Amino acid sequence: GEDVEQSLFLSVREGDSSVINCTYTDSSSTYLYWYKQEPGAGLQLLTYIFSNMDMKQDQRLTVLLNKKDKHLSLRIADTQTGDSAIYFCAEIDNAGNMLTFGGGTRLMVKP
Amino acid sequence: NAGVTQTPKFQVLKTGQSMTLQCAQDMNHNSMYWYRQDPGMGLRLIYYSASEGTTDKGEVPNGYNVSRLNKREFSLRLESAAPSQTSVYFCASSVSARTSGRNEQYFGPGTRLTVT
Repeated sequence: GEDVEQSLFLSVREGDSSVINCTYTDSSSTYLYWYKQEPGAGLQLLTYIFSNMDMKQDQRLTVLLNKKDKHLSLRIADTQTGDSAIYFCAEIDNAGNMLTFGGGTRLMVKP
Repeated sequence: NAGVTQTPKFQVLKTGQSMTLQCAQDMNHNSMYWYRQDPGMGLRLIYYSASEGTTDKGEVPNGYNVSRLNKREFSLRLESAAPSQTSVYFCASSVSARTSGRNEQYFGPGTRLTVT
């Protein structure tokens, strides 16, 4: 079955870049997603990438996709304290029904 | 436009008690979902409803039932709560599942359930 893995924790200083990594197993996924969860809140879609793309940039966010290695990354430029949250990557099944989430990476931004 | 709303926000149950978690969306979405979130495990899909009148099992359906009451509302019922069901439950909705599109899901704020 599908499995999505992420490292548990990342700490950076304010103003630095953050890179959050994810590996997935379902090569038939059409879309891959990054969600952000702030304390006590639900998940908010940050960005997504279509599987035929290598890179997508959206303001401070850059998503890189390496399909050969089944590796997805999220780069946050000029990281701010407001970026402190848990970040989840997710893939969708071929039928478009089910999202499979990674365990989440807790990003801590130090002032 | 409230998006996805869930009630209650918090609940404590004793083992064996039953309860229903409520979810409603006002975005005219066709598809709705129930997830549970446990530490270090991300979110796991319990049940989903691709459209009004249909429901399907997700990854972890045992111990739960769902009702798609109408297009707006999708409830999750625990008939006999167990400590293993202690978790945070999230409802989500999307325009439509079973499409070739990106099926962007919008999440509610969650219900924190403790079973003692």
